[in-house]
Amino acid sequence: KAGVTQTPRYLIKTRGQQVTLSCSPISGHRSVSWYQQTPGQGLQFLFEYFSETQRNKGNFPGRFSGRQFSNSRSEMNVSTLELGDSALYLCASSVGLAGGQTQYFGPGTRLTVL
Amino acid sequence: QKEVEQDPGPLSVPEGAIVSLNCTYSNSAFQYFMWYRQYSRKGPELLMYTYSSGNKEDGRFTAQVDKSSKYISLFIRDSQPSDSATYLCAPVGPNYGGSQGNLIFGKGTKLSVKP
Repeated sequence: KAGVTQTPRYLIKTRGQQVTLSCSPISGHRSVSWYQQTPGQGLQFLFEYFSETQRNKGNFPGRFSGRQFSNSRSEMNVSTLELGDSALYLCASSVGLAGGQTQYFGPGTRLTVL
Repeated sequence: QKEVEQDPGPLSVPEGAIVSLNCTYSNSAFQYFMWYRQYSRKGPELLMYTYSSGNKEDGRFTAQVDKSSKYISLFIRDSQPSDSATYLCAPVGPNYGGSQGNLIFGKGTKLSVKP
């Protein structure tokens, strides 16, 4: 089975711009979660989508948003980029059952904001 | 107090050593506990998980949870240079609104196994 794929792998943007990241989950997985990883804060949960609905959200400002499509693929959008948004953005897919014990991560998108 | 505390290391051991990696957590409601391994510039890779208290073994790896002391451990036997990576503990948070519960990561411990 193919793993979680994320595109693009690298992005360079400037402050004030917006960016959209894409995640394709493992076939058959219906849940996609997004995480931000920075050296200072580590891995932090952004939000989770299941069957095209956001069902959990972390403590990030409204500039961070996402959506999920009927084929379970998900996109994450960050508007009005700030320098502090530079990070590795990871998505994880799972079957979506309670317990969440099998979340599998993609390779991440490394975003640099200049 | 952070929900999950993990010593960032770095931890350096000789090849063949037994490695002990540890985390503490604050929320007694956590039931599932994951361990991920992350190589440089890669996404985290699920190593193993445990449910509630007790031990779980998988090859050279043993995960242990002590819910009474809110302490999570990962032991690596016969460590190899290929085990050099950052190890992340991640309890699973409450399943709000029917969600599966998000992972709550420690900062990770960087391990280096020297040949």
